[in-house]
Amino acid sequence: GESVGLHLPTLSVQEGDNSIINCAYSNSASDYFIWYKQESGKGPQFIIDIRSNMDKRQGQRVTVLLNKTVKHLSLQIAATQPGDSAVYFCAENPLQGAQKLVFGQGTRLTINP
Amino acid sequence: KAGVTQTPRYLIKTRGQQVTLSCSPISGHRSVSWYQQTPGQGLQFLFEYFSETQRNKGNFPGRFSGRQFSNSRSEMNVSTLELGDSALYLCASSWTSGSSYEQYFGPGTRLTVT
Repeated sequence: GESVGLHLPTLSVQEGDNSIINCAYSNSASDYFIWYKQESGKGPQFIIDIRSNMDKRQGQRVTVLLNKTVKHLSLQIAATQPGDSAVYFCAENPLQGAQKLVFGQGTRLTINP
Repeated sequence: KAGVTQTPRYLIKTRGQQVTLSCSPISGHRSVSWYQQTPGQGLQFLFEYFSETQRNKGNFPGRFSGRQFSNSRSEMNVSTLELGDSALYLCASSWTSGSSYEQYFGPGTRLTVT
């Protein structure tokens, strides 16, 4: 069935280092992908999105890379800060013309001082 | 601009009861989607409403239903509650329906069924 999976359930990095969170998706028809950050007790917070006609998109300290050949998505966070500690989810929208996100299981990112 | 709001934030119910959760989208947003989040299943899509019509539905039993009002506010209802319905219920709004529009989430309603 449809699923979006993550390679690592947890990731620890030193403050100031760069982090990379990976995601594999299964539906070749998906045309839209989003990364969300979820802190404890809060709803997912939109970080960055990318459409299938792009392979890279940059935001403030974040970059999303999309490799459609191997159905792989990654989120790079530069110069990590303590506030970056959270669970990160990738999501794909496999249904054209509708809002129906399929989420990965999440990666817990811990920033060590 | 105010974000997505959900009420109540916490709810405790007993098995067999029913519950109604409310979601107010970001002003101007017309699409509202609902998701269930549990430790075991993660985030799962329940349904989407746009212009008071259900556009899509996930793989949940008929006990889960929803509706949307003319002001885009949405409610979801769960009848005959089961212990497994304990979860964080999240509402997300988007400017319009369609696969390439970002969804913004509310803080969720934590439902506990005892």
